[in-house]
Amino acid sequence: NAGVTQTPKFQVLKTGQSMTLQCAQDMNHEYMSWYRQDPGMGLRLIHYSVGAGITDQGEVPNGYNVSRSTTEDFPLRLLSAAPSQTSVYFCASSYSEGDEQFFGPGTRLTVL
Amino acid sequence: SQQGEEDPQALSIQEGENATMNCSYKTSINNLQWYRQNSGRGLVHLILIRSNEREKHSGRLRVTLDTSKKSSSLLITASRAADTASYFCATDAHDYKLSFGAGTTVTVRA
Repeated sequence: NAGVTQTPKFQVLKTGQSMTLQCAQDMNHEYMSWYRQDPGMGLRLIHYSVGAGITDQGEVPNGYNVSRSTTEDFPLRLLSAAPSQTSVYFCASSYSEGDEQFFGPGTRLTVL
Repeated sequence: SQQGEEDPQALSIQEGENATMNCSYKTSINNLQWYRQNSGRGLVHLILIRSNEREKHSGRLRVTLDTSKKSSSLLITASRAADTASYFCATDAHDYKLSFGAGTTVTVRA
């Protein structure tokens, strides 16, 4: 099993550009989530999904969209990138809500 | 807002010593989890303790949970250089959202 995979690993955007961060898992997990990690602030939840077709907002959802058309994939879309979105983004999945989460390797995003 | 807060923020110990870090949280929880993050990597799950459990062990790790004080501790015994990492507690408060603290950075000196 590949576990949780994320692409790309690094990305540089200009202010106003849009892009999609990809996340996929091959463990048949129902629960998937996106976090951002900023220095000294731990992880903050952006959006999460409890199953295909079901998504909801986390702590810091503004400026991001998600969809969950399949169990395996949970892409995160930045609609119009801003310097405040410079961060490291982690995708995670778990069998169900509240279980141990498996994390991807992260995407380091810089917005100029 | 973040539910959990780790203490201390940073810890430096000699190889072979024990490392203890604490986590405090604000609301009732279903479970509390500890994760490790090596520099530049994703988080790795260490241990999950449920609200009706008081202590749990996994190898050199010992986790306690005191729901009356809304606090947990993680003890790493006989530390090794490979234990150098950041450690995070995360709480599941029945709301489909796992809430992470800011972490404790542990440095193990040879």
